[in-house]
Amino acid sequence: NAGVTQTPKFQVLKTGQSMTLQCAQDMNHNSMYWYRQDPGMGLRLIYYSASEGTTDKGEVPNGYNVSRLNKREFSLRLESAAPSQTSVYFCASSAEALNTEAFFGQGTRLTVV
Amino acid sequence: QQQVKQSPQSLIVQKGGISIINCAYENTAFDYFPWYQQFPGKGPALLIAIRPDVSEKKEGRFTISFNKSAKQFSLHIMDSQPGDSATYFCAASRGTDSWGKLQFGAGTQVVVTP
Repeated sequence: NAGVTQTPKFQVLKTGQSMTLQCAQDMNHNSMYWYRQDPGMGLRLIYYSASEGTTDKGEVPNGYNVSRLNKREFSLRLESAAPSQTSVYFCASSAEALNTEAFFGQGTRLTVV
Repeated sequence: QQQVKQSPQSLIVQKGGISIINCAYENTAFDYFPWYQQFPGKGPALLIAIRPDVSEKKEGRFTISFNKSAKQFSLHIMDSQPGDSATYFCAASRGTDSWGKLQFGAGTQVVVTP
């Protein structure tokens, strides 16, 4: 059981380049999420999808777009990368929307130069 | 501005000692308070969680203490082991929101020395 799988694990981008972070879960969860983790800031929610076909902004959505491709997959796109987007990105999923355990992927370490 | 304030930023404890991490929140609508453990290079994983209808929850060597009137909660790691060395995050959410709207603290890096 793979759980939540993120690709790639590492990425270096030049300012202005675009890229898509991929996330897939095999636990048949309805809800999926994208967080970023920065030193001293904890984890901050970028976007989430409560169920297939819906997406909503989280705390820090500017500069990002998401696509809930199907129940398994939830991608995060940076259209024009900026150095401020240098971070570790985590995808997560949960079975229900309210107060249940969430499962995280191993993260994507992104550096924008 | 972080809605959940966590302290200390880091702590070093000897094997067998007690690690204590504190968190405080402002939003009285929060009703779910989980703790996550994260090892280097890994994603966070749920460690233990509590709801405000109880003042304490224990799972093995890990205990959450909850003080609703003070809007504070803490994690105690008893008999700390080197394998407990990790970063710990407290978090909080409202029952009316989806899980994904957890507000995380800044994290505490715990190092347990042999």
